[in-house]
Amino acid sequence: AQSVAQPEDQVNVAEGNPLTVKCTYSVSGNPYLFWYVQYPNRGLQFLLKYITGDNLVKGSYGFEAEFNKSQTSFHLKKPSALVSDSALYFCAVRPSTSGTYKYIFGTGTRLKVLA
Amino acid sequence: EAQVTQNPRYLITVTGKKLTVTCSQNMNHEYMSWYRQDPGLGLRQIYYSMNVEVTDKGDVPEGYKVSRKEKRNFPLILESPSPNQTSLYFCASSLSWDRVTLQPQHFGDGTRLSIL
Repeated sequence: AQSVAQPEDQVNVAEGNPLTVKCTYSVSGNPYLFWYVQYPNRGLQFLLKYITGDNLVKGSYGFEAEFNKSQTSFHLKKPSALVSDSALYFCAVRPSTSGTYKYIFGTGTRLKVLA
Repeated sequence: EAQVTQNPRYLITVTGKKLTVTCSQNMNHEYMSWYRQDPGLGLRQIYYSMNVEVTDKGDVPEGYKVSRKEKRNFPLILESPSPNQTSLYFCASSLSWDRVTLQPQHFGDGTRLSIL
């Protein structure tokens, strides 16, 4: 079965430190990968995507992610965390299998940045 | 302002009483979708639509119906709601669905449904 795993329910990091939010996937074919962020009482907001090309993708608010095909991972990173980065983060994948237009989301990781 | 609008934002209702959650986007997007968000389960796709009159099931379609008669609207219908459909629902849209021009989804602010 195709799936996305976010192994950490919560990640705590001190302000100014680098942060990593992990995502691994299991899909057939080459995946299209996304990261979204959700603030309280709001819908999800797009951060970045990987479709093809350079494995290091840069996105909004200083976030970046690295696509690693051999490890089937797409971890979200930021060099220096801000308190305002505290939110719920979702990894999502759309399999590239012909005729498949579904999206599969992970269970989410709550990021808490401590002042 | 470019947006996805869902209504209502909150609804408490009873088992078996048909309800419709509306979704409208003003960005001329082709792809629209419905998700439900449950604690510990993340977002799960209910239905999606690639264009007018083209819809398909996501991973959790049971108990739901959709229609896409106009490009901008994609209502979610619960014909006989049950308590296990109590959830936070999100509508989303994206400009394209094909892999060459794949664009991210824009999400509405959610509809919290409670079915007693």
